[in-house]
Amino acid sequence: AQSVTQLDSHVSVSEGTPVLLRCNYSSSYSPSLFWYVQHPNKGLQLLLKYTSAATLVKGINGFEAEFKKSETSFHLTKPSAHMSDAAEYFCVVSDPPGGYQKVTFGTGTKLQVIP
Amino acid sequence: DAGVIQSPRHEVTEMGQEVTLRCKPISGHDYLFWYRQTMMRGLELLIYFNNNVPIDDSGMPEDRFSAKMPNASFSTLKIQPSEPRDSAVYFCASSFVLGDSPLHFGNGTRLTVT
Repeated sequence: AQSVTQLDSHVSVSEGTPVLLRCNYSSSYSPSLFWYVQHPNKGLQLLLKYTSAATLVKGINGFEAEFKKSETSFHLTKPSAHMSDAAEYFCVVSDPPGGYQKVTFGTGTKLQVIP
Repeated sequence: DAGVIQSPRHEVTEMGQEVTLRCKPISGHDYLFWYRQTMMRGLELLIYFNNNVPIDDSGMPEDRFSAKMPNASFSTLKIQPSEPRDSAVYFCASSFVLGDSPLHFGNGTRLTVT
């Protein structure tokens, strides 16, 4: 069975400090993993993806995520938060191509950035 | 590419009326998804299509909801009759190949049923 758990529903950081949004997954296969961001009243936008290449993945807007198979984690980080990073972030797991396809979204983490 | 296009952006209707939401996926994408987002339930997958064929509709709430994809460039989600609890933001997304390819989302349709 495939599942994804975002460990924090809300995270609050001060502008200029590091961001850590946690995600754990389970999958019977070697999955693809994604992070999406949703700003208010907008659709979801892809931040970055992992598809079994380098374990450290760099995305847009200075975000990156590290795939750790031993910990089944795919945490999202950014060295320094900006006010424009305030949004909701979704971790997503997807089974590899072939056979029945399944995409599972986490419940989301709302990031608040304090000036 | 213009991305995934949804219409209308906002829809306000009275209980009992029929509502039709529309989606144009990105050209060449083989998969199309309909999601619903609410504060209470978060993001829910309603149905998805592969090459215009419905693959999984287990998320469709009840018989009042129906979705069609008559061709590769158009899909509709219909609610008949609508109820206040259907109020939500409905997103359409498309993807080239599941697994490696990300989903590309439209900006959503905000539905309010009074």
